Amino acid sequence: AQSVAQPEDQVNVAEGNPLTVKCTYSVSGNPYLFWYVQYPNRGLQFLLKYITGDNLVKGSYGFEAEFNKSQTSFHLKKPSALVSDSALYFCAVRSTGFQKLVFGTGTRLLVSP
Amino acid sequence: DAGVTQSPTHLIKTRGQQVTLRCSPISGHKSVSWYQQVLGQGPQFIFQYYEKEERGRGNFPDRFSARQFPNYSSELNVNALLLGDSALYLCASSLRGQSDTQYFGPGTRLTVL
Repeated sequence: AQSVAQPEDQVNVAEGNPLTVKCTYSVSGNPYLFWYVQYPNRGLQFLLKYITGDNLVKGSYGFEAEFNKSQTSFHLKKPSALVSDSALYFCAVRSTGFQKLVFGTGTRLLVSP
Repeated sequence: DAGVTQSPTHLIKTRGQQVTLRCSPISGHKSVSWYQQVLGQGPQFIFQYYEKEERGRGNFPDRFSARQFPNYSSELNVNALLLGDSALYLCASSLRGQSDTQYFGPGTRLTVL
């Protein structure tokens, strides 16, 4: 069965510094991987996805993610964090056969001024 | 373009009652999925519908049911509500295929007293 792990409940970073939110996955077959962000009392907003191709995926709001097959990781990154990036971030993997997304437990990102 | 819309935004029910949640997908999207997000956790897959047929079901009891209409909108029904059904219910739509991105609505916050 597919699964993802987000080992950090919270990541703290100062504004202007680079940020990384970690995600590891377990799948059978080729992984379809996603990152979503959730602001308080809101739904999930799509950031980026990896289906195939280049291991560095660029997404919305300056975010990017690096797919590493040997380490089964898909870490979210941003070169320079903004206070407005403070939110809850979810990594997800698509189940084979149909469109079920399996989510991690989420990582709260706190960017301090 | 309008995104995924859900109604109502909030509702409060008592144990044993029944509830119907509604979702309108992005125009042109033919697949709708439902997720339950309990406070502090990642979303859990409930159902996927594509072209008005159920294509996937998560590990939820038979009290949960759904359907998709000819205009691709969808309803999620929950019978005999339990306290543990209190959650944010998210609807997501996508074009069709397995690699398609799912776009989420703002959710319906259900509180069961």
